[in-house]
Amino acid sequence: DSGVTQTPKHLITATGQRVTLRCSPRSGDLSVYWYQQSLDQGLQFLIQYYNGEERAKGNILERFSAQQFPDLHSELNLSSLELGDSALYFCASSPGGKSYNEQFFGPGTRLTVL
Amino acid sequence: SQQGEEDPQALSIQEGENATMNCSYKTSINNLQWYRQNSGRGLVHLILIRSNEREKHSGRLRVTLDTSKKSSSLLITASRAADTASYFCATDHFTSGTYKYIFGTGTRLKVLA
Repeated sequence: DSGVTQTPKHLITATGQRVTLRCSPRSGDLSVYWYQQSLDQGLQFLIQYYNGEERAKGNILERFSAQQFPDLHSELNLSSLELGDSALYFCASSPGGKSYNEQFFGPGTRLTVL
Repeated sequence: SQQGEEDPQALSIQEGENATMNCSYKTSINNLQWYRQNSGRGLVHLILIRSNEREKHSGRLRVTLDTSKKSSSLLITASRAADTASYFCATDHFTSGTYKYIFGTGTRLKVLA
């Protein structure tokens, strides 16, 4: 158990809908990262927040947005969902915001878009 | 697109044998990390090697980095059935004013008891 929690575990929704994925980092960690893992794209880095501020940005679509709240939990919002958004979404956390920090991954949220 | 390419895509060995996985990347990096993922679960960090390091050890793991060839290898010695998992390399580099973390395509390792 990494100490990172993600909810929900599974999510099934329809195309065009909007969903919110939630992540609670390990106690004391200031950085939160979001990743998407799919069969065709592999593991893709989406975005990183550090202490409430966006720190790094990857291949995050404009339909997706994220934020980190004062209590350091983070939410990833996915809107206008498409079939291709079906994937495992992982959140990770680290103590600092540096790129060499070890990241601790949560168990993931499996999103299925029908 | 993925920067990291891993080789082989899949590897099957007997318990007790050594397993070697390779990772190649395209741009200059700050650090390279190796992660393990058990089927459908979150990734677990194994080891980090900085761009100015050439070799690092952690228990049964040995990682090498050759920045001139833009490649890294992960060696697992005396493998165990519990080592069965997918292994990913991940690089971070600074581009366009921000950091990017790029994961390889992964090597699926199966250790037969």
